[in-house]
Amino acid sequence: KNQVEQSPQSLIILEGKNCTLQCNYTVSPFSNLRWYKQDTGRGPVSLTIMTFSENTKSNGRYTATLDADTKQSSLHITASQLSDSASYICVVSEDSNYQLIWGAGTKLIIKP
Amino acid sequence: DSGVTQTPKHLITATGQRVTLRCSPRSGDLSVYWYQQSLDQGLQFLIQYYNGEERAKGNILERFSAQQFPDLHSELNLSSLELGDSALYFCASSKRGASGGLTDTQYFGPGTRLTVL
Repeated sequence: KNQVEQSPQSLIILEGKNCTLQCNYTVSPFSNLRWYKQDTGRGPVSLTIMTFSENTKSNGRYTATLDADTKQSSLHITASQLSDSASYICVVSEDSNYQLIWGAGTKLIIKP
Repeated sequence: DSGVTQTPKHLITATGQRVTLRCSPRSGDLSVYWYQQSLDQGLQFLIQYYNGEERAKGNILERFSAQQFPDLHSELNLSSLELGDSALYFCASSKRGASGGLTDTQYFGPGTRLTVL
């Protein structure tokens, strides 16, 4: 069964610290993996998109990694800011029938 | 502002009723996606249309239906509403697609908050 699992479920860190969020998937055949940021009550915003051949992609202070062999991805946030408080969602695209498999998200809270 | 518009912003209705949610994609985008997000839950993919044709179907109930019109706007129809249908409904659009080998960015609208009393 195609699944995307994210950990931790929630995370609290102090402003200025770094953190890493994890995503494991069992989706096959794999097409691409995306990370989204969703502020409470608002639509998700795309952070990165990675295909099979890409193993790292950056967007400002956000860096995503992908290991297609172990089917794992991580999102690293550097020098966190209060505005980084949000849910971060991993989404994996299944290649054969256009399905997007959404993870449940990691809720990140940045404290001053 | 993503360029995706959704109306109405809020909708309050009673159980058993029928409502229609509307979405206008970004200019030039051919794909439209609908999602449901219940309180404190993750997004549930409902359905995707590409250039007027249904492309992918997720966990969409039989009481729900959608269509994409020739001008590419889309409507999501929810009927025989139940209390559990109360949720945020998001529409997203992309140029061609975000799956099946395509890597277009999805742009999400602000959502329609549906409350069923």
